Amino acid sequence: QIALKESGPTLIKPTQTLTLTCTFSGFSLSTSGVGVGWIRQPPGKALECLALIYWDDDKRYSPSLRSRLTITKDTAKNQVVLTMTNMDPVDTATYYCAHRFLGFDLWGRGTLVTVSS
Amino acid sequence: DIVMTQSPLSLPVTPGEPASISCRSSQSLLHRNGNNYLDWYLQKPGQSPQLLIYFGSHRASGVPERFSGSGSGTDFTLKISRVEAEDVGIYFCMQSLLSITFGQGTRLEIK
Repeated sequence: QIALKESGPTLIKPTQTLTLTCTFSGFSLSTSGVGVGWIRQPPGKALECLALIYWDDDKRYSPSLRSRLTITKDTAKNQVVLTMTNMDPVDTATYYCAHRFLGFDLWGRGTLVTVSS
Repeated sequence: DIVMTQSPLSLPVTPGEPASISCRSSQSLLHRNGNNYLDWYLQKPGQSPQLLIYFGSHRASGVPERFSGSGSGTDFTLKISRVEAEDVGIYFCMQSLLSITFGQGTRLEIK
């Protein structure tokens, strides 16, 4: 059974770098066609896909946030890590990681990250 | 970026009645492989989003048959044949042809 769980700080100061880890089970990120993405949702707002990494290490980033984002995978540890630099209060959101094969077919519960001094 | 526009943004529905949500993209989502790169998701209150439809019209595993997706190119529709109380939530369309972008969401509520 596929499961994903996000972990990282719940509170971060402006200008700091956010590091989030997605730890998953029930699938391998070395399986052809499989990817893991990071999607965020500010309170009461729409979803925004930040980054996506595929089994072959192909990486896709949000064009508007590309300069601030890095996504990496550790296949042996079943983890995907997202870093986002220069955090701002407008980055306050729930951050989800999700398994992607045919669509984002399974999501983690999400982690709320608040950016405040 | 491809812009996704949903309508309506709010949809009150009587249980047992049908419901329909429209999603339009600023560019065609039809790939040369014949697939439309358009998904539909439902985010129930307090929950993570769940996949309903992929490639425009393919129901995801475990999704009830009352949900159906149609359309091609730039115009897509999600239909619920008979709304149930558990269908309450926010529905999002999402394109993945060029980068990934979501629609603003449509809030379905029970009358």
